[in-house]
Amino acid sequence: GQSLEQPSEVTAVEGAIVQINCTYQTSGFYGLSWYQQHDGGAPTFLSYNALDGLEETGRFSSFLSRSDSYGYLLLQELQMKDSASYFCAVRDDKIIFGKGTRLHILP
Amino acid sequence: DSGVTQTPKHLITATGQRVTLRCSPRSGDLSVYWYQQSLDQGLQFLIQYYNGEERAKGNILERFSAQQFPDLHSELNLSSLELGDSALYFCASSPIRGTEAFFGQGTRLTVV
Repeated sequence: GQSLEQPSEVTAVEGAIVQINCTYQTSGFYGLSWYQQHDGGAPTFLSYNALDGLEETGRFSSFLSRSDSYGYLLLQELQMKDSASYFCAVRDDKIIFGKGTRLHILP
Repeated sequence: DSGVTQTPKHLITATGQRVTLRCSPRSGDLSVYWYQQSLDQGLQFLIQYYNGEERAKGNILERFSAQQFPDLHSELNLSSLELGDSALYFCASSPIRGTEAFFGQGTRLTVV
């Protein structure tokens, strides 16, 4: 089976940096994805890591260590609009999501 | 706009009833996924179809079934509905081995 662990909530200050960790156990693995979901909205894709290392997309970066079954999402220069839930997801033929991390941003 | 269309957006029905949720994937995407999201819960994988064939099954109840048609649209059928089936149901599509899944806006099902 597959399981993913991520913190349920994280709080940070506007303008700061926050890291959301994800560990996974899976029988098949192509890569680790991250999605953002605002309240009442649909999940939207943020990033994908198939290989070890850091991928950067603007203010967001994602890291993967396949040997440690671990990844993280790094959000820099936090803005109030970044308040949302963030999901890591394991990709093999299907896509399995973690339970999500709710990010609270304080002004 | 992700290009994935789900209908209806909202559905209210009584316990014991049956409903059908519809999903039209992005043009060219052969894979369709269905997810259930209950209040403050993660996205629970239900089932995946690829080009009309069932590809993977998750925690889908026996009361639930799905299919993908030749035009690639998919339907999720929920029967003998219970109060606990109230949730947001999302459909997503992706190209084969695509790294990104595109989600529809979801169908909010309320069972009363």
